[in-house]
Amino acid sequence: DIQMTQAPSALSASVGDRVTITCRASQNVSTWLAWYQQKPGKAPKLLIYDVSNLESGVPSRFSGSGSGTEFTLTISSLQSDDFATYYCQQYNSYSGMYTFGQGTKLGIK
Amino acid sequence: QVQLVESGGGLVNPGESLRLSCAASGFTFSGYYMSWIRQSPGKGLECISYIGSSGSTKYYADSVKGRFTISRDNAKNSLYLQLNSLRADDTAIYYCARLPRSGNHFDFWGRGTLVSVSS
Repeated sequence: DIQMTQAPSALSASVGDRVTITCRASQNVSTWLAWYQQKPGKAPKLLIYDVSNLESGVPSRFSGSGSGTEFTLTISSLQSDDFATYYCQQYNSYSGMYTFGQGTKLGIK
Repeated sequence: QVQLVESGGGLVNPGESLRLSCAASGFTFSGYYMSWIRQSPGKGLECISYIGSSGSTKYYADSVKGRFTISRDNAKNSLYLQLNSLRADDTAIYYCARLPRSGNHFDFWGRGTLVSVSS
């Protein structure tokens, strides 16, 4: 099974900061890499799919990049609405398995 | 607009069963793969099962294989998950989520239904 490890597990930042979250895979993954945002008591919301494609309606301050085993989610200028937990997710076409990272909690500094 | 509404969760004893339902609206249900994803404090997010648009393709995570059964009724725009032989570590919020026609991610999620397994 492919393991997804996010770093950091938690971070504190201020409005206006540039924030980067990293997701590392235990082995090379294809371009099936997505990012989600989850707020307390709510379901996850899709932000980025296929590494770098912005889901419709998601602000352009969110961006994704990477390849192979390392991927990043960047928020270019943090807004108050962005304080949440973020998850990466990959798909392994050999096993048919979808795997999520353990999450990164983004809090207010 | 796309809506997914789960129901059927509750508090049960270990070894008992539950049937979860997910009512879909706002899209052509029969054209999409659908999934069940659960979230627990200890295990995070876990995609435990998904089903192809016609129902002929099914996947189960090892953690639920042999105990849970996914199904769908395209005439009723509904997705189901039969949970048998429930254990304490099945306690979680269970989400219904849609996979897009092209891509391997989850583009719409329901609000979830809580399953608690405890004696």
